[in-house]
Amino acid sequence: DVKVTQSSRYLVKRTGEKVFLECVQDMDHENMFWYRQDPGLGLRLIYFSYDVKMKEKGDIPEGYSVSREKKERFSLILESASTNQTSMYLCASSGTRDEQFFGPGTRLTVL
Amino acid sequence: DAKTTQPTSMDCAEGRAANLPCNHSTISGNEYVYWYRQIHSQGPQYIIHGLKNNETNEMASLIITEDRKSSTLILPHATLRDTAVYYCIVRVWGGGADGLTFGKGTHLIIQP
Repeated sequence: DVKVTQSSRYLVKRTGEKVFLECVQDMDHENMFWYRQDPGLGLRLIYFSYDVKMKEKGDIPEGYSVSREKKERFSLILESASTNQTSMYLCASSGTRDEQFFGPGTRLTVL
Repeated sequence: DAKTTQPTSMDCAEGRAANLPCNHSTISGNEYVYWYRQIHSQGPQYIIHGLKNNETNEMASLIITEDRKSSTLILPHATLRDTAVYYCIVRVWGGGADGLTFGKGTHLIIQP
């Protein structure tokens, strides 16, 4: 069974902390994505990557960075967490069939 | 990407077919119709997609009107586990490398 896993389901951090969200997929997919989901705003694309060490900005990259050192792993980094980054973070991956497989999500609270 | 319009919520009795409509009157000739769903507290799940022909897989059927301005997702025998928010998305084939934009979707509630 195909799988996208995220390092934490729930995370609580303080303002100013550096936060790492990890995502791993076991489908040998080239493409990986980070989204955030907020009530009333739907799903918004933060960053995506179509190959190792490659990254592209999505719709809302400000305040975030990413790292993809291995094909199966895509990390989202909040350099200095702020309260407006409290959200549900979803990772996804896709191959060439253009269907995205999502992880279970990480609910991040920044105090 | 073309805009889509879906009802905010729908009810369906368990065991019956659930028919979820989506309007996409501004769809372009090279845009596909995709359906995803999101069960509470889980990540979204891909269901099906199509261009102009009707499509069927193990989860659902997708019926696209001849003028492609609307479509219907059909869950043939709804179960309680099908309670979820269903998203209709219209976009150009991305080859896997494009992000998704979800609207508000339809909250489908399956009643026992």
